[in-house]
Amino acid sequence: DAKTTQPPSMDCAEGRAANLPCNHSTISGNEYVYWYRQIHSQGPQYIIHGLKNNETNEMASLIITEDRKSSTLILPHATLRDTAVYYCIASSYNQGGKLIFGQGTELSVKP
Amino acid sequence: DAGVTQSPTHLIKTRGQQVTLRCSPKSGHDTVSWYQQALGQGPQFIFQYYEEEERQRGNFPDRFSGHQFPNYSSELNVNALLLGDSALYLCASSLLGGSVGHYEQYFGPGTRLTVT
Repeated sequence: DAKTTQPPSMDCAEGRAANLPCNHSTISGNEYVYWYRQIHSQGPQYIIHGLKNNETNEMASLIITEDRKSSTLILPHATLRDTAVYYCIASSYNQGGKLIFGQGTELSVKP
Repeated sequence: DAGVTQSPTHLIKTRGQQVTLRCSPKSGHDTVSWYQQALGQGPQFIFQYYEEEERQRGNFPDRFSGHQFPNYSSELNVNALLLGDSALYLCASSLLGGSVGHYEQYFGPGTRLTVT
């Protein structure tokens, strides 16, 4: 079973920030938080990952709480092309790339 | 730089038949993982190959088998197809050797298998 829980769906207005929450209260100390997204009928796309510190790349920012029990993915200026299912996954090196996907959050960006 | 490629794109098979799906990893990657994604569900991990060996396996029956070649490409074989095997089959590649505790996986576009 997935170690993360996410809301099933969210809406966001185009141009506004999309904040996608994820709970991972049973995450282990050596597990990273990964975010992937899947646009309809395509393969999942890696977005960002983090362990303890907040992370930012060209696609998004990841905010991890100090107790590591939850995180938030931030898309700073959502566009219609960001409409997708977003998956939050906890995984460690020992799991060797075995990603356990949950149901994810279906984000709809509306004009 | 070519990403992960999969073939064929679509496939229709009859119940009881066998099927082989193929995957070429992203250049520089040494590990291939396979996932099954049923309609409306998240991908489910089937198995992973590294150094031509099955390194990890998910909760799938022995009808699902695989192979990795010296050039790191991989095949997924499914025998005695059932209607429930209809799904999108995804291949993901990553670099396991030399990793420092974390690594991203890059997914291909998938093969849509329909079993009738």
